[in-house]
Amino acid sequence: DADVTQTPRNRITKTGKRIMLECSQTKGHDRMYWYRQDPGLGLRLIYYSFDVKDINKGEISDGYSVSRQAQAKFSLSLESAIPNQTALYFCATGWEDSGYTFGSGTRLTVV
Amino acid sequence: DAKTTQPPSMDCAEGRAANLPCNHSTISGNEYVYWYRQIHSQGPQYIIHGLKNNETNEMASLIITEDRKSSTLILPHATLRDTAVYYCIAFYGGSQGNLIFGKGTKLSVKP
Repeated sequence: DADVTQTPRNRITKTGKRIMLECSQTKGHDRMYWYRQDPGLGLRLIYYSFDVKDINKGEISDGYSVSRQAQAKFSLSLESAIPNQTALYFCATGWEDSGYTFGSGTRLTVV
Repeated sequence: DAKTTQPPSMDCAEGRAANLPCNHSTISGNEYVYWYRQIHSQGPQYIIHGLKNNETNEMASLIITEDRKSSTLILPHATLRDTAVYYCIAFYGGSQGNLIFGKGTKLSVKP
């Protein structure tokens, strides 16, 4: 099993729909992250969590919310999806001494 | 976190060493230099990191100048599978640090 698992891998949804992207990790780290990547651009931080009770907004949190259900689970929600949220989404976990491990990504298309 | 500057693209012949430069002239004393790479649209992969001393692992070597204002990632014998976008990040974890990705260097390894 992968160290960081993201589901779904691909999703097409309609404008205005609520959608949840899920992430689970088996690395045992407290810190988890959600990033977004648009074509030809680097990754941008959406939300991060340093432990179950500590959740913080990143660079581009508007239109997104998160839930840290357990140390191993960190979900990203789009309350009302819009087309410019079409992107590749990555979850990550880690610690600076060991590097960060990323999931394989969720490709989301909002039509 | 310090800003880093990388060339947008580089080419390397297969079997030769690939030397990827990074400038981080505003790096602070407690910030590490991290390197990640992203192959196509996969999740970024951790390569190596260092603070002051040169570092080597099974994937690459990291050379940091004495003044820490620049560094070079060396892939000793590049293969076609090393074709990817390489990200140099100056980062201090601590209690609030997060990885901030720029646009990186697109390395093309050619036969």
